[in-house]
Amino acid sequence: GENVEQHPSTLSVQEGDSAVIKCTYSDSASNYFPWYKQELGKRPQLIIDIRSNVGEKKDQRIAVTLNKTAKHFSLHITETQPEDSAVYFCAASIDGGSQGNLIFGKGTKLSVKP
Amino acid sequence: DTGVSQDPRHKITKRGQNVTFRCDPISEHNRLYWYRQTLGQGPEFLTYFQNEAQLEKSRLLSDRFSAERPKGSFSTLEIQRTEQGDSAMYLCASSLRLGYQETQYFGPGTRLLVL
Repeated sequence: GENVEQHPSTLSVQEGDSAVIKCTYSDSASNYFPWYKQELGKRPQLIIDIRSNVGEKKDQRIAVTLNKTAKHFSLHITETQPEDSAVYFCAASIDGGSQGNLIFGKGTKLSVKP
Repeated sequence: DTGVSQDPRHKITKRGQNVTFRCDPISEHNRLYWYRQTLGQGPEFLTYFQNEAQLEKSRLLSDRFSAERPKGSFSTLEIQRTEQGDSAMYLCASSLRLGYQETQYFGPGTRLLVL
């Protein structure tokens, strides 16, 4: 079955710097890759996603890149702000498969220092 | 609030007791997922429904767990004879599957503590 590895597990940056979180997946059939942000005690919130027909997607300060050949995808946050501090999870699934369940990485705790 | 809602938000129970959680999905979403999240881990899939049909169960879902989604609207997850290892956050997510694509939106979760 699918396995998603995420690193680093913790990341500390200064406000205004960029942050990059990387994930690898094992199942070449996976074609949908969302990223969720989870603040302490709150629900995971979708912040951006990418499907395998594109290599990059941007939304303001957030971007995701996908390399299907290497089976890895990354989250890039530019001009980080203290409110970006949270745990970020990457996930993978197969759009169009009989199941739609997401396989998650173990998360990256991002701390943005003012 | 038109998002996914879950009830209760917190539950403390004694080992051996039964507990039931409820999830109300976003209106008209046809898929509903249950996940379990333990401290420091990502959510792990338990089971999902397409409308009222339960289509898949993870091996994590032991015989003590049962889920229903009558009429394809809200869903319940029951744990019988709870064990300390059941302590976790139980998350529900819903999606509208159109064609081959869907996007899952999560509820706030029910945090279970088994004493």
